[in-house]
Amino acid sequence: GAVVSQHPSRVICKSGTSVKIECRSLDFQATTMFWYRQFPKQSLMLMATSNEGSKATYEQGVEKDKFLINHASLTLSTLTVTSAHPEDSSFYICSASQGAAYEQYFGPGTRLTVT
Amino acid sequence: AQTVTQSQPEMSVQEAETVTLSCTYDTSESDYYLFWYKQPPSRQMILVIRQEAYKQQNATENRFSVNFQKAAKSFSLKISDSQLGDAAMYFCAYKDSGYALNFGKGTSLLVTP
Repeated sequence: GAVVSQHPSRVICKSGTSVKIECRSLDFQATTMFWYRQFPKQSLMLMATSNEGSKATYEQGVEKDKFLINHASLTLSTLTVTSAHPEDSSFYICSASQGAAYEQYFGPGTRLTVT
Repeated sequence: AQTVTQSQPEMSVQEAETVTLSCTYDTSESDYYLFWYKQPPSRQMILVIRQEAYKQQNATENRFSVNFQKAAKSFSLKISDSQLGDAAMYFCAYKDSGYALNFGKGTSLLVTP
């Protein structure tokens, strides 16, 4: 089956610093990647959708300048949390798809803690 | 906008018994997909079952089956012969011709020995 990896699985950073999370599709080409945020005991909230080579489309209420998304290749998307603050602490999950008619395959998630 | 409602925040089932998780959705589309995802304590999202709206036959995957009622906009998941490993959060999700998945709030399933 299709495999999506995320790196790192856990990261702790100091307030005011930036942190980058990578999402890779290991055995398929992902034309579209998605970034979700999940708070404890809550559902997944879509943050943005990115198509390879294009600017990401952000959901309402998600700060574009804070959550920078790059999808430079068909197998890699990155989420950079800039000037992180404690309220950015959360579980971030990516997923990847070969297209609108195809499944989304999820990565294992990244737990971000901002101190 | 499409909404997905899971009205059961928590459910409990005994091992080997059957449990049904409820999901309703709201859409004006005629062509769409419905999914049940499982999220165990590892938090890895796992696809349990998928249903295409144009198919009248209910999807089944081993011990997992759905009751898809298109007119009622209902999509429940039945887990038969429950196992301890079935304990997890279960999310119902909707997708139409667009890319995005819309998730319900989830149901936490506890399986007791």
